[in-house]
Amino acid sequence: DIQMTQSPSSLSASVGDRVTITCRASQGISNYLAWYQQKPGQVPKLLIYAASTLQSGVPSRFSGSGSGTDFTLTISSLQPEDVATYYCQKYNSAPPYTFGQGTKLEIK
Amino acid sequence: EVQLVESGGGLVQPGGSLRLSCAASGFTFSSYAMSWVRQAPGKGLEWVSAISESGGSTYYADSLKGRFTISRDNSKNTLYLQMNSLRAEDTALYYCAKKDGYNKPFDCWGQGTLVTVSS
Repeated sequence: DIQMTQSPSSLSASVGDRVTITCRASQGISNYLAWYQQKPGQVPKLLIYAASTLQSGVPSRFSGSGSGTDFTLTISSLQPEDVATYYCQKYNSAPPYTFGQGTKLEIK
Repeated sequence: EVQLVESGGGLVQPGGSLRLSCAASGFTFSSYAMSWVRQAPGKGLEWVSAISESGGSTYYADSLKGRFTISRDNSKNTLYLQMNSLRAEDTALYYCAKKDGYNKPFDCWGQGTLVTVSS
């Protein structure tokens, strides 16, 4: 099965900073990569799919890139409401629809 | 409005069984594949199981080793997860999630139902 590895596992940054989270697949998954945001005590929310397509309603400071095995989630200017854990997930073809281990983002 | 509402969680002894349900509304349930995802306390998301639109194809995480069974009743717009031989490590919040189509991600999640396995 394909494994998904995120880095870093935790991150502390200041408001206004540019933040980057990476996700690596153990085999190529084309662009079948999604990013989810889970705020404390809340349900996961789809942010980005197809590696770089923003889900409707998601602020434009979020962006995604990558293809094949290496992917990136970027927040261009960190806001206090972005405090959350972020997960990547591969969803191509048949299951398993594996998640990365998560990246916990905090404000410095 | 698309809505998924899970139920059936609770406290169960090791070795026991539970059946989770997920009631769907606001979309044509029979047109979408569905999944169960769990999250142990303080841990990350773990995909558990998936079922095709018709229910004819089912998939499971290797870690479950045949203890769980996913099913759906499209006439009742409901997804199920039968969990047998429960272990302490199955303690988690169980979410149902709607897949947005073939080669599409999960675009809608329920609020989750908590399963606690303890003596």
